[in-house]
Amino acid sequence: KAGVTQTPRYLIKTRGQQVTLSCSPISGHRSVSWYQQTPGQGLQFLFEYFSETQRNKGNFPGRFSGRQFSNSRSEMNVSTLELGDSALYLCASAGQGADTQYFGPGTRLTVL
Amino acid sequence: GDSVTQMEGPVTLSEEAFLTINCTYTATGYPSLFWYVQYPGEGLQLLLKATKADDKGSNKGFEATYRKETTSFHLEKGSVQVSDSAVYFCALSIIQGAQKLVFGQGTRLTINP
Repeated sequence: KAGVTQTPRYLIKTRGQQVTLSCSPISGHRSVSWYQQTPGQGLQFLFEYFSETQRNKGNFPGRFSGRQFSNSRSEMNVSTLELGDSALYLCASAGQGADTQYFGPGTRLTVL
Repeated sequence: GDSVTQMEGPVTLSEEAFLTINCTYTATGYPSLFWYVQYPGEGLQLLLKATKADDKGSNKGFEATYRKETTSFHLEKGSVQVSDSAVYFCALSIIQGAQKLVFGQGTRLTINP
């Protein structure tokens, strides 16, 4: 089976812009989660989607949003970018009822 | 709330040395426990997991035992290799209608030849 894929792998944006990141889960997985990784804060949970519904959300401002499509692919959007949004954004997928998440390679976002 | 505390890094060892990375957790329920590894420029790879007390997870020579009495899940390897150099993350998951992993801060491991 193909693993979790994320596009793009690298992005450079300027403050105030918005950005959309994409994630395709492992075939058959319906749960998709997003995490932000920074040197200062480590790995932090953003949100989780299952069957197009957000089931859980981390402690991030409303500028961070996401959605999931009927084919389980997911996107996350960050509006009005700030310098502190520079991070590696990781997507993970899991099977229904399974406790193991499998991660993609991440999208590295740099905000200038 | 749920949390994971990992041994402070970085850790530097010589090839063939014995490795231990300590991990303790706090959880209100009965979590599953994981070790993930991250190589430079890559995402997280699942290294091993354990889902209940006294379970031992193992993979590629690494082992960790779920100790409920000490709320610990320490990672060990008997003889490390240069290729084991990476960042290691301990994590827990409690599924309560939704998936969420809580991670430790990560431990950077460097193995010198």
